[in-house]
Amino acid sequence: AQKVTQAQTEISVVEKEDVTLDCVYETRDTTYYLFWYKQPPSGELVFLIRRNSFDEQNEISGRYSWNFQKSTSSFNFTITASQVVDSAVYFCALFNQAGTALIFGKGTTLSVSS
Amino acid sequence: DTGVSQDPRHKITKRGQNVTFRCDPISEHNRLYWYRQTLGQGPEFLTYFQNEAQLEKSRLLSDRFSAERPKGSFSTLEIQRTEQGDSAMYLCASSRGQGAETQYFGPGTRLLVL
Repeated sequence: AQKVTQAQTEISVVEKEDVTLDCVYETRDTTYYLFWYKQPPSGELVFLIRRNSFDEQNEISGRYSWNFQKSTSSFNFTITASQVVDSAVYFCALFNQAGTALIFGKGTTLSVSS
Repeated sequence: DTGVSQDPRHKITKRGQNVTFRCDPISEHNRLYWYRQTLGQGPEFLTYFQNEAQLEKSRLLSDRFSAERPKGSFSTLEIQRTEQGDSAMYLCASSRGQGAETQYFGPGTRLLVL
């Protein structure tokens, strides 16, 4: 079975703090894809990143960075110097080759205060 | 490209009534997905289409639910004899290709069944 666990339900930080959102996944497939989406209060899911299981290189995009570790089945997301606009629910998701749709975690609600 | 659009954005109905939602995918995206999201949870897969063919349905999709994608363009999701448990956000997503390509989501239709 495939599963995504986001153990942190809610995180609150003050602006300019760094914050890491954890994601642990389970799959028996050797080929799979991991995603992060952001859901602001408006409700629309915004795509952030897609990573396949063969690419373990960490990725940085502006203030966002992702740490993919197959050894621990984790795909963690770090926001550097957080801003109020980062306040949202963040979802980690798994799409494996044998499957047909995204399997989402329950999400982590990030609140950034000024 | 314009994004995925959904209509209506909000729907309030009385128990027992039928409702229909529409999704317009990104043009030339051949895959279209429907998800349901309840409060505090991640989106859960309902069904998906490859062009006009409905290729998979989740066990969540009871007999009261039906989806269509005539001519492989827009899609409709109908719920017959609505129940209070159907209250949720219904999300549509589309993607290119036939594999684990990135899914782009619409703004969702929020359904409240009284």
